[in-house]
Amino acid sequence: DAGITQSPRYKITETGRQVTLMCHQTWSHSYMFWYRQDLGHGLRLIYYSAAADITDKGEVPDGYVVSRSKTENFPLTLESATRSQTSVYFCASSRQGTDTQYFGPGTRLTVL
Amino acid sequence: GEDVEQSLFLSVREGDSSVINCTYTDSSSTYLYWYKQEPGAGLQLLTYIFSNMDMKQDQRLTVLLNKKDKHLSLRIADTQTGDSAIYFCAEKRGTNAGKSTFGDGTTLTVKP
Repeated sequence: DAGITQSPRYKITETGRQVTLMCHQTWSHSYMFWYRQDLGHGLRLIYYSAAADITDKGEVPDGYVVSRSKTENFPLTLESATRSQTSVYFCASSRQGTDTQYFGPGTRLTVL
Repeated sequence: GEDVEQSLFLSVREGDSSVINCTYTDSSSTYLYWYKQEPGAGLQLLTYIFSNMDMKQDQRLTVLLNKKDKHLSLRIADTQTGDSAIYFCAEKRGTNAGKSTFGDGTTLTVKP
């Protein structure tokens, strides 16, 4: 049972480059979420998706793009990475909106 | 707006009880969660409580909810060195399409 996975686990990129972080879940959960975790800010919601082809903004969506063409995948793209996007990114999923969220292991992204 | 606050640090001796506190502002919160994050890992759900409950016990964990004061606590009995981690409090409203608001996390250090 693979659960929820993220790739890559670590990524270093340069300012201005496009970066895509992948998230995959094997539970057929309807909801998927992207968070970033920074010291002093805890977890902040970037985007979430209630189902395939349905996405919505969270607290800090600027500079990010998401898509959900398949239920099991929810990629997060930084179209032009900035240093302020250096962070640890967590993907999560839940069966329904009111259910518990299950988190992936995280991707540590460094933007130079 | 929604806000969840926690103290940032707690240090206890092995074998003692730990109490981690959390306050929230949204009176319509229906679900309250405690997550544990070990170094380099994602968040792991420890326990949760519905807002119509005032206590929940699960082995060494006891969750107390004071809905009037919007105060949530997590008590860990007989704290072990393996309990050293960051603990996040989170709240969710049943009607908010699955979004949770997280506190900034409390770093628990257990000294031998």
